[in-house]
Amino acid sequence: DQQVKQNSPSLSVQEGRISILNCDYTNSMFDYFLWYKKYPAEGPTFLISISSIKDKNEDGRFTVFLNKSAKHLSLHIVPSQPGDSAVYFCAASGLRSGNQFYFGTGTSLTVIP
Amino acid sequence: DAGITQSPRHKVTETGTPVTLRCHQTENHRYMYWYRQDPGHGLRLIHYSYGVKDTDKGEVSDGYSVSRSKTEDFLLTLESATSSQTSVYFCAITGGGDEQFFGPGTRLTVL
Repeated sequence: DQQVKQNSPSLSVQEGRISILNCDYTNSMFDYFLWYKKYPAEGPTFLISISSIKDKNEDGRFTVFLNKSAKHLSLHIVPSQPGDSAVYFCAASGLRSGNQFYFGTGTSLTVIP
Repeated sequence: DAGITQSPRHKVTETGTPVTLRCHQTENHRYMYWYRQDPGHGLRLIHYSYGVKDTDKGEVSDGYSVSRSKTEDFLLTLESATSSQTSVYFCAITGGGDEQFFGPGTRLTVL
């Protein structure tokens, strides 16, 4: 049973516009959420995270929003750049899950020059 | 970059043969993980370790075993490989902090 879901397998965006990637989760015990970026033939790399005590976290062009009541988080990239083209995974963990992280299925982002 | 290496990077094997994948870290981190990545499934946890000789199962542990005799090495063994275990395998580490650092991956093909 998938506890973290990314319902959009792919997304295409024009360079300079905003990219919005979405993620939903089902386990209300999750209290920490992360986004990873993955290029082909490489391991995922950490991008940005957010704790459940916050509803927003920014790091440069990347902002993550958390809506706990809806069990939904989103990653905003603005402005989008061709180098942002990659697969993005969201992940979640919680005190009760020990140090286990649960990942979504990924969204492939293509930024069109 | 976190010091994580995986070996081999690519392997082709036949059904029924044993296979061992190695993850090596130079960060002295406590937690180590093995994931597999498959289309439509994302990253799924196979096993993880929270210290030397301390391991636990993840969500897709059937058919896999692990061992950790030293802090720096975490081995994943497929006792008798099956075609359903064809996948890309990633090792990851955390230091008990917030995020995981991943290795470059091992592409395993079971014929």
